[in-house]
Amino acid sequence: GAVVSQHPSWVICKSGTSVKIECRSLDFQATTMFWYRQFPKQSLMLMATSNEGSKATYEQGVEKDKFLINHASLTLSTLTVTSAHPEDSSFYICSARDGGISGNTIYFGEGSWLTVV
Amino acid sequence: AQSVTQPDIHITVSEGASLELRCNYSYGATPYLFWYVQSPGQGLQLLLKYFSGDTLVQGIKGFEAEFKRSQSSFNLRKPSVHWSDAAEYFCAVGSNQAGTALIFGKGTTLSVSS
Repeated sequence: GAVVSQHPSWVICKSGTSVKIECRSLDFQATTMFWYRQFPKQSLMLMATSNEGSKATYEQGVEKDKFLINHASLTLSTLTVTSAHPEDSSFYICSARDGGISGNTIYFGEGSWLTVV
Repeated sequence: AQSVTQPDIHITVSEGASLELRCNYSYGATPYLFWYVQSPGQGLQLLLKYFSGDTLVQGIKGFEAEFKRSQSSFNLRKPSVHWSDAAEYFCAVGSNQAGTALIFGKGTTLSVSS
């Protein structure tokens, strides 16, 4: 069935460096992908909506210059955390919508743990 | 405003007992409703979803949920809880439009006692 894959599953980076997280739809084309952030023991907060071939739409309070989103193809969206700081440490999850034969189903990636030291 | 409310932050249920997790939503369009489960350190697993039709939806792992439009609710139920059901449960609402994201409730932590 349709799957959304995230990579890496976990990453540790030094403060001040940038890190890229990839989100791929494996069996379907996703014109829209979504990026969420989840702090420990909290809910998922939508960060941005990623649209293929155009600029992402960011939620209020999310710094678009810090969280760069690129959706260059119908199966790949990337989130780059630039100049990462310890407060950026979090669980990042992407999701994609399959509006095709799977019947408008939303799939989530496995998530990516980011630890900034 | 669009929102999902899960009134219970933490619930403890004895193994073998029945379970009901509450979810209320506020949504401007026709709602698509979802329940997800998340184990510690893991991603989300879809338990069930409601788009239309029969308001009682069956999901995986013996879970079911009932959509009640008049109460704006989508409560999750299970007749007999197993210790492995201990996890975080999230209710979410969305629309049928491709460009819209899901809105999540704050989640309910389920503990199962022996």
